[in-house]
Amino acid sequence: NAGVTQTPKFRVLKTGQSMTLLCAQDMNHEYMYWYRQDPGMGLRLIHYSVGEGTTAKGEVPDGYNVSRLKKQNFLLGLESAAPSQTSVYFCASSYIQGAVGNQPQHFGDGTRLSIL
Amino acid sequence: AQTVTQSQPEMSVQEAETVTLSCTYDTSESDYYLFWYKQPPSRQMILVIRQEAYKQQNATENRFSVNFQKAAKSFSLKISDSQLGDAAMYFCAYRSRYSGGGADGLTFGKGTHLIIQP
Repeated sequence: NAGVTQTPKFRVLKTGQSMTLLCAQDMNHEYMYWYRQDPGMGLRLIHYSVGEGTTAKGEVPDGYNVSRLKKQNFLLGLESAAPSQTSVYFCASSYIQGAVGNQPQHFGDGTRLSIL
Repeated sequence: AQTVTQSQPEMSVQEAETVTLSCTYDTSESDYYLFWYKQPPSRQMILVIRQEAYKQQNATENRFSVNFQKAAKSFSLKISDSQLGDAAMYFCAYRSRYSGGGADGLTFGKGTHLIIQP
């Protein structure tokens, strides 16, 4: 019963490098999300997806791209990493069932990303 | 846009005592959901309790309960009989009911660090 799995758990990048964070869920959830958490802050929404092949911008989308080619996977890409993107990244997923907003989001364990 | 404010950066309580964490929010919507998440040092985000705005009855989950005051836009979390395992960051979060298909994600407060004194 894996739930939401994020890969990798830690990564150090140099400024200008690119990388992709992978999120996989095995709960058949429709919705998936990427958040970032900075010190002294709550989580902030980067991008989200309401289904396979669809994505949308959240509160802080600049510098990131996402793709949802398969229902169970949601990828977060950094094309040219910047030190301001040093953060802990969380993926989450949830059902659509009845009233949409009442479904809790299930979170992965986070990816700690450092940009030097 | 909605905002969530947690005015207590840190709280401390003796083991077995009761503690209340505060949360206020700002919204123009009448229908929404509120959540409390716990984040222990392991970094996991764990759902503690949730409340539907259209329900007047306060939600309860074992030792955890909320005091939801819709008119005041207040959503506090009460932890009874505090245990060492309750030590964590606690985040209050808001979600619209039908915003953009209901998938706009959660809006979080900045969190309250709860310390349990043995």
